[in-house]
Amino acid sequence: AQTVTQSQPEMSVQEAETVTLSCTYDTSESNYYLFWYKQPPSRQMILVIRQEAYKQQNATENRFSVNFQKAAKSFSLKISDSQLGDTAMYFCACNYGGSQGNLIFGKGTKLSVKP
Amino acid sequence: NAGVTQTPKFQVLKTGQSMTLQCAQDMNHEYMSWYRQDPGMGLRLIHYSVGAGITDQGEVPNGYNVSRSTTEDFPLRLLSAAPSQTSVYFCASSYSFVPGTNVLTFGAGSRLTVL
Repeated sequence: AQTVTQSQPEMSVQEAETVTLSCTYDTSESNYYLFWYKQPPSRQMILVIRQEAYKQQNATENRFSVNFQKAAKSFSLKISDSQLGDTAMYFCACNYGGSQGNLIFGKGTKLSVKP
Repeated sequence: NAGVTQTPKFQVLKTGQSMTLQCAQDMNHEYMSWYRQDPGMGLRLIHYSVGAGITDQGEVPNGYNVSRSTTEDFPLRLLSAAPSQTSVYFCASSYSFVPGTNVLTFGAGSRLTVL
């Protein structure tokens, strides 16, 4: 079975500092895709960043970047220059070939950005 | 362009009652799905559909029923509500169910409480 594990239930960071959220996954598939979603207190799910497993280059989106370690099955999210608006739940998710488009989510990490 | 619309946003039911959570999208998306979110559990897939007339079970389908008579609508039916079904429900859709091309668009969520 495919699994996604987020080992940090809660984290906090000072405004303007950098924080890294961890995610590991387990799949025997060779073709898969990894995602980070953000869920602010409004409850809306927002896509932060996406990584294709066959691409070695780490994805970046403005202040958000990933460290994709395929051999270690690790997919961490780095948030630089943290802002108060980054306070949210962050979910790591995996989507693999043959899954009919279904995402497998981790349990989430609650990030608090402190002023 | 409304995106993914879920109704109702909040609902309180008594044990044994039935109800339908509505989900509609106006983006001509092929793939639609229902997830439930529980504290400490992340998002878990209930049912999904890869096109009109086609539905299948996800990870936690028991107690729920779906149908997909049109491309736009994907209602989730609770047949006989139980307190274990107290949760936040998300409908999500994407243009394609092909992994990697299917960036999910989520609805705003429906909070259901079963007493």
